[in-house]
Amino acid sequence: QSVLTQPPSASGTPGQVVTLSCTGSDSNIRSNTVNWYQQLPGTAPRLLIYSDIRRPSGVPDRFSGSKSGTSASLAISGIQSEDEAEYYCAAWDDSVRGQVFGGGTRLTVL
Amino acid sequence: QLHLVQSGAEEKRPGSSVRVSCQASGDTFRSYSFNWVRQAPGQGLEWMGRIIPIGGRGNYAQKFQGRATITADKSTDTIFLEVSNLTSDDTANYFCARGGALSGVALDVWGQGTTVIVSS
Repeated sequence: QSVLTQPPSASGTPGQVVTLSCTGSDSNIRSNTVNWYQQLPGTAPRLLIYSDIRRPSGVPDRFSGSKSGTSASLAISGIQSEDEAEYYCAAWDDSVRGQVFGGGTRLTVL
Repeated sequence: QLHLVQSGAEEKRPGSSVRVSCQASGDTFRSYSFNWVRQAPGQGLEWMGRIIPIGGRGNYAQKFQGRATITADKSTDTIFLEVSNLTSDDTANYFCARGGALSGVALDVWGQGTTVIVSS
């Protein structure tokens, strides 16, 4: 049971906008920034979004993050087949004094 | 640009310990944190703990306190994770990752992962 809640799956057709959600609580998402990771099969995770909305160098601007209260979202506009991956949200949690992850959302591009 | 290279796969017996290494190159330790995240087969990511090499002390997820130890060797720019009293539940891919370069806990550089299999 993950501290942050993500839907296990999502899907879309190429070119669509897909939004992935991440729900937490006051001790994590409301109080601290959210980061998003993409994990392709058989590879290490890759940082996609940090500090709620910022993109590291090299991440396409098709990926965007947002946050409101105890929830955060990752939007992927104009999805492509290469976006088919597992997506994880994460944040520091003041209650457990550690970093917590969501269970991950598997994105399928139909 | 920082690059993290981890040690090779391990197979261990239940009750034993494992030590995994993560060597940094291309950048100095500075005041970054180095984190360990594991992923059991078919499961999600789980943060285990971190260390800031300059400070020297690790902090751990509650689940791993007392059973995991993270250390840093500044002379070789290497981070170590040792997990004791292994069970089959510790079978996982273990990743090291840098934090603190972009923001507090964002992990922006990852090692390739080390597979640990615990089996009798």
